Amino acid sequence: QKEVEQDPGPLSVPEGAIVSLNCTYSNSAFQYFMWYRQYSRKGPELLMYTYSSGNKEDGRFTAQVDKSSKYISLFIRDSQPSDSATYLCAMSGPQGGSEKLVFGKGMKLTVNP
Amino acid sequence: KAGVTQTPRYLIKTRGQQVTLSCSPISGHRSVSWYQQTPGQGLQFLFEYFSETQRNKGNFPGRFSGRQFSNSRSEMNVSTLELGDSALYLCASNPLGATYGYTFGSGTRLTVV
Repeated sequence: QKEVEQDPGPLSVPEGAIVSLNCTYSNSAFQYFMWYRQYSRKGPELLMYTYSSGNKEDGRFTAQVDKSSKYISLFIRDSQPSDSATYLCAMSGPQGGSEKLVFGKGMKLTVNP
Repeated sequence: KAGVTQTPRYLIKTRGQQVTLSCSPISGHRSVSWYQQTPGQGLQFLFEYFSETQRNKGNFPGRFSGRQFSNSRSEMNVSTLELGDSALYLCASNPLGATYGYTFGSGTRLTVV
């Protein structure tokens, strides 16, 4: 079993839709949970970062972490064509220091005008 | 401010050759990490350097090596290239090495023929 599992999609939605992206993980030591967005021919850029369990909201984006279920989610409200990209979840260990980031494989999202 | 700069952007090498990739982190960032991204495996951690010291290493063969200079610039080297080394190599920098604060470069696309 891989440490982090993410449905690779692809996912295609109409503009204005609510998008839900999810990852599951197996390593209970993970404490830091991140969502990255990667446009074609670019490196990943950090969208949201959450420590331990709970929700975090930033504009149209909401990140949720459920450590009891080892499940994290990213919700995008009022999706826009500019949100079309690959979304990667990433996690790291308890110290938030030199631990490596462990990534999901990424979900390719297309928002159609 | 300038982002993370990776050179070259694209590279074609022959099997058996070696290659050196370069990464200039954001000014003031002391931690540099390298990741390999492939369609099959996603993003996988190679190694992390902080103040010229390798702090963490992923599960890659010894053909993959890296170093960091006193100005925080980093290089990674792959010797005896194999076809399976074809990938996007991403460098990320961080001021203090906290895993949630990394900024990625646009990567070097290496093709081994």
